[in-house]
Amino acid sequence: LAKTTQPISMDSYEGQEVNITCSHNNIATNDYITWYQQFPSQGPRFIIQGYKTKVTNEVASLFIPADRKSSTLSLPRVSLSDTAVYYCLVAQMDTGRRALTFGSGTRLQVQP
Amino acid sequence: GAVVSQHPSWVICKSGTSVKIECRSLDFQATTMFWYRQFPKQSLMLMATSNEGSKATYEQGVEKDKFLINHASLTLSTLTVTSAHPEDSSFYICSAGGLDSGNTIYFGEGSWLTVV
Repeated sequence: LAKTTQPISMDSYEGQEVNITCSHNNIATNDYITWYQQFPSQGPRFIIQGYKTKVTNEVASLFIPADRKSSTLSLPRVSLSDTAVYYCLVAQMDTGRRALTFGSGTRLQVQP
Repeated sequence: GAVVSQHPSWVICKSGTSVKIECRSLDFQATTMFWYRQFPKQSLMLMATSNEGSKATYEQGVEKDKFLINHASLTLSTLTVTSAHPEDSSFYICSAGGLDSGNTIYFGEGSWLTVV
């Protein structure tokens, strides 16, 4: 199981770009990297997923270097509503029976 | 994205009783479902992994006789907390994935359990 390490917390201001990095040194060949956002008393919400290089969607970008031992979630121009905990998850689904464990997550606080 | 729904969103039960939480994948077939519990300001703790039609695999320290998990169909898994005690009060979250969801795991909204 790929263990992930993220910064415990980050602070930012509205309108800034925020980059959160996750380390996953023992990622397996078939593992995908997925980032989730969680608000208090809610289940994690899918943000973005990637395997290698760069992935971009309407809310974020995900940068994955060639060795795949880390990944960086980039949130452009954050707003107060982006204050949440962000988790990276490294796993594969095609084998079915794969336990998914979460790291500590990164608590992002966006200030006005 | 795919939708995973949990029910109930919150439940209060008396100590000693059992309570069931349902997790449904609404628009895909979930071959694998996961159950987590989460305490305030802490990360999600994996309790068990279940594959449709098989017995659940429990994480170390999780009592399988206390937390009964059933995954009888590709769209439904249930978690039953038996003989609940106040220390079982927590936020329980399920997640699901399958071939239809690609390599993505989707999470339910979570269920708050309070045992009084």
